[in-house]
Amino acid sequence: AQTVTQSQPEMSVQEAETVTLSCTYDTSESDYYLFWYKQPPSRQMILVIRQEAYKQQNATENRFSVNFQKAAKSFSLKISDSQLGDAAMYFCAYRSFQGGSEKLVFGKGTKLTVNP
Amino acid sequence: DTAVSQTPKYLVTQMGNDKSIKCEQNLGHDTMYWYKQDSKKFLKIMFSYNNKELIINETVPNRFSPKSPDKAHLNLHINSLELGDSAVYFCASSLPLQRGQETQYFGPGTRLLVL
Repeated sequence: AQTVTQSQPEMSVQEAETVTLSCTYDTSESDYYLFWYKQPPSRQMILVIRQEAYKQQNATENRFSVNFQKAAKSFSLKISDSQLGDAAMYFCAYRSFQGGSEKLVFGKGTKLTVNP
Repeated sequence: DTAVSQTPKYLVTQMGNDKSIKCEQNLGHDTMYWYKQDSKKFLKIMFSYNNKELIINETVPNRFSPKSPDKAHLNLHINSLELGDSAVYFCASSLPLQRGQETQYFGPGTRLLVL
């Protein structure tokens, strides 16, 4: 079974600075997807960024980028120019590409605080 | 337009009661899910349905019964509620798993409190 580990329960960053959230995962599959979801206090789960395992190029979405290291099974999220609105719980998630296994497997989350 | 909606948003009830949570998606997706987020914020899959057919049932007590009347709706009925059922329940939906269609979209969540 796949597992996802987020080793940082909490992180903080100063506004306008850069922060990196860590995620590692364990799988025997070669084809899968990885995601970062953001959950602000409103509770809504918001997709931040996604990465396809067969693509070597790291995904980027504006101020958000990932460092995907497939061999090391690592998928970290970098937030540049942090803003107050980035404060939230961040969840790393894995999704198999095998039919019948389309569930998301989540890490335990990292609570990000942005200091003004 | 709300893509994935859930009702109610909050539910407070007594132990032993039966309650339902409804979910609807207007994205035209074929697959729908229920996830549970516990008090420590941990999210875990409970069920998934593809075109009204149960695909995943993750060792959830049989007091929980999902029902999918059509592919746009997936409801969750819970019998004989227990204190440990207190959590936030999220509905999600997605297209069939193909390249470029792998994202799951979440509803706003239903906070259930069992007293």
